Order: sequence, then C-alpha cells, then structure tokens
Amino acid sequence: SQQGEEDPQALSIQEGENATMNCSYKTSINNLQWYRQNSGRGLVHLILIRSNEREKHSGRLRVTLDTSKKSSSLLITASRAADTASYFCATVRSYNTDKLIFGTGTRLQVFP
Amino acid sequence: GAGVSQSPSNKVTEKGKDVELRCDPISGHTALYWYRQSLGQGLEFLIYFQGNSAPDKSGLPSDRFSAERTGGSVSTLTIQRTQQEDSAVYLCASSPGPGFNYGYTFGSGTRLTVV
Repeated sequence: SQQGEEDPQALSIQEGENATMNCSYKTSINNLQWYRQNSGRGLVHLILIRSNEREKHSGRLRVTLDTSKKSSSLLITASRAADTASYFCATVRSYNTDKLIFGTGTRLQVFP
Repeated sequence: GAGVSQSPSNKVTEKGKDVELRCDPISGHTALYWYRQSLGQGLEFLIYFQGNSAPDKSGLPSDRFSAERTGGSVSTLTIQRTQQEDSAVYLCASSPGPGFNYGYTFGSGTRLTVV
C-alpha cells in the first residue's frame, strides 16, 4: 500500500526556476527519503532526513520535514534540464524499521 | 560489484509461462529488496531479505510469486503461470543494512511484458 502522496503529480518549469515538491504520509516514521527516477527505470537516492531533523541540504536540494503535519518538501533550486525526472518520497515507519514505502511520485519537467 | 545488477533487462513471455528474474546486489550489502512498478505508478513493495533472517514476504501479491536469496547474495524472483497483470518493471535494491539507517541502491530493473 502507498504510504506517501506527492503533490503536485506533475510540474513544469523553466531552467533557472526553483521546483518544490511536497509529500504527505500517514503513519509515524523513523525517516523519510527522496529518490529520483529517470526514464522509468532505476531510482537514485537523493537524501535521507530523520524524524528528529527538520531540514537538510545537499547541493541544490533542500528537504524539510514537519512530523506534526506528516509532511515533507523537496526544493530544487536553480533547476536544470537534467533535473527532468520523477521524484518519489519514501518512508520507513517507526514500528517497521525495515522497508521503505514509496509515494506516488511527482513528474518534473524542466524546459531549457 | 560497483552497483546492483539485474537481468534480464527486458523479458517478454507468454501468459501461463514461468519467469525468473535475477538480482545481484552490491557486495557486502546485507539487505535486499524487490519492488515492482506498473506503468506510471509508484513502487509496490514485494519482499525483503535481511542477512540470515526470515524474509518479509508481506508484499507478494499471490502464491504465484516467490523469491529466494542464496548465500546472502544473489536473489531470484520467480513468477509462476504469469498473467497479463504481472506486466511491470521489477526493481531490486540493496542497502548496507536495514532501511532505518540507509538509503537504497537500485538496479536498472527488469521490464516484464506478458502477452
């Protein structure tokens, strides 16, 4: 079953603009992770944020986590055409710390 | 190896036939996961292996699906009597340990088409 819901389902922006994707989840979590998927194949791990963290940065990526609202956001600054991909959030639940449950994904299109 | 390797990359099979999908995880990774992704959808968890523990099979959709992991390394996902609804991309991932500490490294997947 899906744990997360990403919003929006699809996003189109111009190069240089910022892209913000949101993720909501249902149960308490141990950590939340973001992944990128190009061309419907393998996913690439971007960032992991733990339940006791509120914000994390990695290069042009900024992730926030609000456990009171059960939500997270992924911000990509100064986007590039190469950022075009699907982005998924995934959670490890507090009571089942073994496997990731993925959301439905946001399809990002960055136009040159 | 340097990454997670899956084979075959594409498989077309006739309805009713059995198929085997292979996953070779990163050397030393104790955790191995199988997911499937239908067209335009998110990832659906299938099964999880962690070291020598009994696998978590809670995501397998029917008894036609089974998986094994030999010697704590290579894993094979078997689908018996394939149906058209089994068509999807099957993704394997591995991690150094359980998901509460680590991100996953995914293979490129096997695209299964049942005709």
